[in-house]
Formats: sequence, structure tokens, C-alpha cells
Amino acid sequence: GAGVSQSPRYKVAKRGQDVALRCDPISGHVSLFWYQQALGQGPEFLTYFQNEAQLDKSGLPSDRFFAERPEGSVSTLKIQRTQQEDSAVYLCASSLAVREAQHFGDGTRLSIL
Amino acid sequence: AQSVSQHNHHVILSEAASLELGCNYSYGGTVNLFWYVQYPGQHLQLLLKYFSGDPLVKGIKGFEAEFIKSKFSFNLRKPSVQWSDTAEYFCAVNNAGNMLTFGGGTRLMVKP
Repeated sequence: GAGVSQSPRYKVAKRGQDVALRCDPISGHVSLFWYQQALGQGPEFLTYFQNEAQLDKSGLPSDRFFAERPEGSVSTLKIQRTQQEDSAVYLCASSLAVREAQHFGDGTRLSIL
Repeated sequence: AQSVSQHNHHVILSEAASLELGCNYSYGGTVNLFWYVQYPGQHLQLLLKYFSGDPLVKGIKGFEAEFIKSKFSFNLRKPSVQWSDTAEYFCAVNNAGNMLTFGGGTRLMVKP
């Protein structure tokens, strides 16, 4: 389809495992964002890319969180040594240009046991 | 840091009732304002946006919002709701930064 694609839709991991979440933005969209949405709350910003450059990572909660977008299209959010508090829905969004409306994917629901 | 407040966490209406969802933000400078909707089992979708110009913005599905700068508000309205409007609604703001700051969301249930 033409929308933002995220995989997997659901991920269950044991505490301490590493996970990788993938985002395929809309073709041609320069800006890519990752958000974390806890149950019953609004999404919270994690990090932002413009093409392959990570311009803002101020929202990443700890150094266990790492994101990359090496070729300026697909992005991966990696969480190392997962903790129970990492359980949340991780949303990816893309936009044609900076500060334009963002288009969201379905999210990855991460559960840490 | 900017913040966004949505004061109504849950709203229950009957079909044909009028809707107004409140949104207030804290940032005093130039802002872009958005309302997103999330229908059950679906992704966040843009309802409407305000960048500049006419403070009364019309969006999809009969929704509109009014930007009142003096009140730091961007309330969402619909004159007559339908059962299909049952969803969660999020107000969001961006200013000098590129990311969106979201409110906590309002769950709307429309009874048929």
C-alpha cells in the first residue's frame, strides 16, 4: 500500500532480550519520526530523522534505545536489554517535509515479559 | 517544554448530538496545530490541521476546529455525530521543533 508500514505488528520478548522494530515510510517522505505510546496515553516523541541524518534523539528514554535510517528510507528502532517498562506501542510516522502533517503507521505493540 | 491538555478523557454522546472536544497548549510562540483520530484497530489519521490564516479550519467527515490564540486553544467540533465517529481523538502541536507533542486523548463513544 501507499501508507507507512511497520513490522512486526506484535512482538513479545523476555526481559533482557534485544528487539528490532522496522518502519517503511511513504516513498519520498524526507522526515521520519518514532513515537512511544503507553496504554491510555498520547504518543510521546522518541527521535526524528531527516533523510539519513538523525537530527533529534532527545526523546529516547535511555542509551538502550537506538534508531537508524542508513539509506534515508527504511528505519529501525532497536531496544537492547529490554525492561518491562519498555512495553508500549511504538509508532512510526513520516512526512513529506519538515513540519508538514505526519502520516502514521499501525504501530508495533511490544510486550516485555 | 510545551504541553498539550485534553480535558475530556471520555465522552459519551447519542447520535445527532453536537460534539466539542477541548484542547489547550502551553507554548506561546508560533505553532502548528493538528487533530488526529484513531478508529478502533486502525492507525492515527489526520482529521485537520492549522498552520496559518483563517482560524476556523474544516477537516474531513464534517469536523472543524477553531484556533483561539488568546486562549491557547484549538477545540474540535462537529454539529451532529454519528455512530461511526466512535474513536479516540488526539490533539497535537508542533512549534520550533519538528516533533509533535500530543495530548492524552479523548475517547468518544457514540450510542446509536
